[in-house]
Amino acid sequence: EAGVAQSPRYKIIEKRQSVAFWCNPISGHATLYWYQQILGQGPKLLIQFQNNGVVDDSQLPKDRFSAERLKGVDSTLKIQPAKLEDSAVYLCASSRSGSRGVSGNEQFFGPGTRLTVL
Amino acid sequence: AQSVAQPEDQVNVAEGNPLTVKCTYSVSGNPYLFWYVQYPNRGLQFLLKYITGDNLVKGSYGFEAEFNKSQTSFHLKKPSALVSDSALYFCAVRDIGDDKIIFGKGTRLHILP
Repeated sequence: EAGVAQSPRYKIIEKRQSVAFWCNPISGHATLYWYQQILGQGPKLLIQFQNNGVVDDSQLPKDRFSAERLKGVDSTLKIQPAKLEDSAVYLCASSRSGSRGVSGNEQFFGPGTRLTVL
Repeated sequence: AQSVAQPEDQVNVAEGNPLTVKCTYSVSGNPYLFWYVQYPNRGLQFLLKYITGDNLVKGSYGFEAEFNKSQTSFHLKKPSALVSDSALYFCAVRDIGDDKIIFGKGTRLHILP
């Protein structure tokens, strides 16, 4: 099966500019995740969707970050305006997991988008 | 709230020797536990998971991990290391009653030829 697709792979912007990332999960995967991975750290969950609904966005900086998954398939993550500390790799993942509490399924990760904010 | 700790930033092992990458966790209920590997400029790849049942879990590339409830640990092991095992390894935990998954900070594994 095709893996999780992400674009672009790399992005360089100046602070205060806007940027958007796109993710297409594995076909049939109900749950989609966006993670931020800062150099030297583990991935930090930003937002989790189940189909087109948000399950968890408690760690999403909502003053500047937004995400949507309108049709329950692909998703976009936007940063507006970007700050220097947003420089990181943004990972998208998907899993077959469905209802809350039945979450033993592993996640499949895309290659990530490396964002550099100057 | 759940948490996971990987106490070693880096582990060095000679090729052919056994390797262990440590992970301890904290959850309020029963855990789901995962190991992922990350190669340079790549996303994370799933290695293995513990959900229930046998405490010794076998995964991809000859890796295995042992769930130890009393020590709240889930160490990753391999009997004989390969140079190609050199990568960044992440342990992750999810509380059965919660959809949130927490990743450790990662352990860099160096296999020396």
